[in-house]
Amino acid sequence: GQNIDQPTEMTATEGAIVQINCTYQTSGFNGLFWYQQHAGEAPTFLSYNVLDGLEEKGRFSSFLSRSKGYSYLLLKELQMKDSASYLCAVRDGDYQLIWGAGTKLIIKP
Amino acid sequence: GAVVSQHPSRVICKSGTSVKIECRSLDFQATTMFWYRQFPKQSLMLMATSNEGSKATYEQGVEKDKFLINHASLTLSTLTVTSAHPEDSSFYICSARRLAGGDYNEQFFGPGTRLTVL
Repeated sequence: GQNIDQPTEMTATEGAIVQINCTYQTSGFNGLFWYQQHAGEAPTFLSYNVLDGLEEKGRFSSFLSRSKGYSYLLLKELQMKDSASYLCAVRDGDYQLIWGAGTKLIIKP
Repeated sequence: GAVVSQHPSRVICKSGTSVKIECRSLDFQATTMFWYRQFPKQSLMLMATSNEGSKATYEQGVEKDKFLINHASLTLSTLTVTSAHPEDSSFYICSARRLAGGDYNEQFFGPGTRLTVL
């Protein structure tokens, strides 16, 4: 079956670094997405990985290992505004996304 | 670029009434639009996939007669919740897949519609 796992909740300190992991088991693989979602708002795109390795974009980086079915989102220099849910999603075919349940990230001063 | 709008942003209605939600891609053509529902503290749940000019494909467990989807043009899809009940109260989000361009055919999300059925 299709399955995407990520931790339910994480807590980190302002200014620190946090890594949010995502493991997946899908029938196909055509890319992995990370989205940020603040409460009451729609998700916003953060990153896309289709090849193994690290993609860096400012304070956010995303890593993918297709052989391990594993990805992580790395957030550096955490700010209070980074408190949000982070959703991992895998495209298993042409365009449909399979969504993880999301990781709620709590940033403490 | 790649802006998706939804209207209305919030709607409160009485039980038994129908509510129409519009999803528009403002600056690109969308071959495919997706409708999601999200209950509090839960992830997105795909309801249906809508392709312009054809019938929507509904996910298992989603009643197609209750959630009517029309994708009449490459920039507009509508979701109508018919005979709404309190259990239909949720956050409805649409996303649109761009016709061309981009390395990964990203889905662009609308801002969502908060539906409350009294």
